[in-house]
Amino acid sequence: GDSVTQMEGPVTLSEEAFLTINCTYTATGYPSLFWYVQYPGEGLQLLLKATKADDKGSNKGFEATYRKETTSFHLEKGSVQVSDSAVYFCALRRAGYQKVTFGIGTKLQVIP
Amino acid sequence: DGGITQSPKYLFRKEGQNVTLSCEQNLNHDAMYWYRQDPGQGLRLIYYSQIVNDFQKGDIAEGYSVSREKKESFPLTVTSAQKNPTAFYLCASSIASGRTDTQYFGPGTRLTVL
Repeated sequence: GDSVTQMEGPVTLSEEAFLTINCTYTATGYPSLFWYVQYPGEGLQLLLKATKADDKGSNKGFEATYRKETTSFHLEKGSVQVSDSAVYFCALRRAGYQKVTFGIGTKLQVIP
Repeated sequence: DGGITQSPKYLFRKEGQNVTLSCEQNLNHDAMYWYRQDPGQGLRLIYYSQIVNDFQKGDIAEGYSVSREKKESFPLTVTSAQKNPTAFYLCASSIASGRTDTQYFGPGTRLTVL
């Protein structure tokens, strides 16, 4: 079946550090890939998405590129802020399949 | 403003009681979903509905029930048959159920069984 793998964390970084959160997936066909962010006590918000190979999703300084050859969708940001502290979920959605498959979420803590 | 509302934000239940969580959306989305979130387990799908008066079980439907009588509403009932109901419950919706369709989430309801 489909699966998404990401580290649980927490990932602790100093403000202005470079961020990478790895995400790899297993799925048949050509899924769409998503990154969601969850701030404490809230629901999930879409951060970015990519719908085909080599697409780059970007938003709020975050980027991720759909790499079909390595089945990866790593999240990056050049300079994190304290306000980026949250849990980040990688997810995929396959054509003709109602379910969205989520990773376990990676907690990011940014310290001043 | 369009969005998804869930109520209540916090809910306490005694063992053996049924409880219903509300989910309403004004985005005119056809598809709606219920997820359960537990620490270290990510999100797990409970039920989903692609259209009014139709719904399907997800991965962990046992002990839960839903209805979809109106497009805007998808309430979830946690029954006494659910062995470990304490969790954070998230409702979501999407325009349809296509591969590229983004899910939009409500703020969640935290259920605690006393």
